[in-house]
Amino acid sequence: QQQVKQSPQSLIVQKGGISIINCAYENTAFDYFPWYQQFPGKGPALLIAIRPDVSEKKEGRFTISFNKSAKQFSLHIMDSQPGDSATYFCAASRDTGRRALTFGSGTRLQVQP
Amino acid sequence: EPEVTQTPSHQVTQMGQEVILRCVPISNHLYFYWYRQILGQKVEFLVSFYNNEISEKSEIFDDQFSVERPDGSNFTLKIRSTKLEDSAMYFCASSLQGVKSGELFFGEGSRLTVL
Repeated sequence: QQQVKQSPQSLIVQKGGISIINCAYENTAFDYFPWYQQFPGKGPALLIAIRPDVSEKKEGRFTISFNKSAKQFSLHIMDSQPGDSATYFCAASRDTGRRALTFGSGTRLQVQP
Repeated sequence: EPEVTQTPSHQVTQMGQEVILRCVPISNHLYFYWYRQILGQKVEFLVSFYNNEISEKSEIFDDQFSVERPDGSNFTLKIRSTKLEDSAMYFCASSLQGVKSGELFFGEGSRLTVL
């Protein structure tokens, strides 16, 4: 019940295209859903996050879509750029995020020029 | 920009040896975490620490692991008797208000190789 399932494992997108990464969870107590971006040799860095009281959150080219009934959320990267090439992790936490993050398995995104 | 710093960047040790990984969190942060990432796999939670005590720990964080904040600036993870399966990248993270604020900052990690 603590798992967060992420897909796809890897993704290749052309420059300017849309990258879509999906996550699903089982624990209905989760109430905070961040996405982290990790470049090689670096630690994960917070990209964008959403709480279940909204269905979508947009920050620049990055959008989280959240479907509470389906227990799914996704990251959309519009106008993908080579600099977006990184590993993306979805995560979830409960108790208004006081609990530790449970990470998905990661998606390696490669944006081709 | 403030950052979380970790040392060493890479440590190689023999199975059964003790290892201490060190972290300097961002100075005004109050919540501290250790996560680990086995090569190519997901980031796994180990332990969280607040107000000088463990606030949450995972099933991975067994009796072989311990954490300490010895001097108000460093935050250490000790593995008493390393096993082959402890080989991983260990990330320290800190936060001002806990995960709820979204402000979880990770260091660049310490790679542990157990031979």
